[in-house]
This record gives sequence, C-alpha cells and structure tokens, in this order.
Amino acid sequence: DIQMTQSPSSLSASVGDRVTITCRSSQSISSNLNWYQQKPGKAPKLLIYAASSLQSGVPSRFSGSGSATDFTLTINSLQPEDFATYYCQQSYTPPFTFGPGTNVDIK
Amino acid sequence: QLHLQESGPGLVKPSETLSLTCTVSGGSISSTSHFWGWIRQPPGKGLEWIASMYYSGSTYHNPSLKSRVTISVDTSKKQFSLKLTSVTAADTAVYYCGSQLAYYDTLTNSVGPQQVDYWGQGTLVIVSS
Repeated sequence: DIQMTQSPSSLSASVGDRVTITCRSSQSISSNLNWYQQKPGKAPKLLIYAASSLQSGVPSRFSGSGSATDFTLTINSLQPEDFATYYCQQSYTPPFTFGPGTNVDIK
Repeated sequence: QLHLQESGPGLVKPSETLSLTCTVSGGSISSTSHFWGWIRQPPGKGLEWIASMYYSGSTYHNPSLKSRVTISVDTSKKQFSLKLTSVTAADTAVYYCGSQLAYYDTLTNSVGPQQVDYWGQGTLVIVSS
C-alpha cells in the first residue's frame, strides 16, 4: 500500500493567515493527489483534485501544488469557515489511501 | 448534481454481517462517469477507503478488507450496497458512500476511480452485542 503522511498534524491560525499543509506519499503517485476538507459531524468535501485542480464551487483561496511524492495545500487568507480537518488522498493505485489529517483551528 | 444517501442498521452484533445501501439521485448510476464506493471513518480517526465498483461490474477493493467485503450495484433501484462479514468492534465507524470520478487511461485502455466528488452524509454503525 502507498502510505500517505501529512504535516503538521495540527496547526493554529488566525483569520486572514496563509496556511500551508504538506502531504507526502511513500512512492511516486504522479499528480493523482486529492485534498478534502472535513468539519465535525460532516462528510468530507472535495477541494482539490489531480494535485492542483480546483473543484467546482470551491473558493479560489484554496490551491494545490506538487507532483510525484510531495504535495502542498495552501489556503490564502484563512476564513472562519475554513477551520476544519484537511485530508490528502492518493488515487494513483488501490487501496486509495488517505493521509492522517491536519486539524486547522483558531489561534 | 449527484445526491447520495446511506441507509442500514446502526447496530450490528459481532460476527454478523454489516449491510448498507446507498441511494443515488440527481444522476444515473449506470453512467460511465463514476465509480460507486464506500469509505469509513472510525470515531475520532481518519478515513479508510473500502471498495469501489463501476457500472460494468469492475471492482476495486482494499486488500485489508477484501475477503470480507462485497459491493454490488442495482441499477433498477439506483442503489449500490456494501456487505461486510464477520464484523468486530474494530469495524465500528461512520460509513460513507461516495462517487469516484472515472478516469479513462488511454495508455492502458482501462478505466479507474479517481477523486471522491460526491459523498453521502454518512451513517454510524456500531458493532456491539
């Protein structure tokens, strides 16, 4: 199985901050990397697919980059509704593993 | 826009079979555009992909669960289902159904699932006697 890691596991930030979350895969996954946002008690929501493509309806302050084994999710100008847990997921080969998540909370 | 809704028992006894159904609306379950799959999340933990199935019957499984998992699609009812046998407390989780966008690889002449673009709201299944 491809192992996914994320850093940091949690972070505290303020509204208006720029936040960067890193995801690494244990082997190259090309650009087959997706990012999801999950709020407590809710289903995950797709933000970014194919490493850098913004899902329809997702605010442009979210962006993704990277390829092979190293990927980044950036949130520009953090908004109150962005406080949540963020997961990366590889869709290169099954099982389609998720990272352990990064919790973004209010400083 | 697709809408997915899980249904099934919220409590299952150890060693029995967990059975869940996902009803799809807002689109065709026979569409070539999506795989239909299941993802779970134990309380307070991360996400685990279980399995996905294409309308044609092509299926991908998580090897850690494959021997216990059956996934099926009923196009007439616009539903797909998950059966997980011989459950233990470790199978207690919120179970999500989801649609994974299908990607056609021209190099390998095959189609595979990609990102989960639509999710059900999730249903908590507790395994306990």
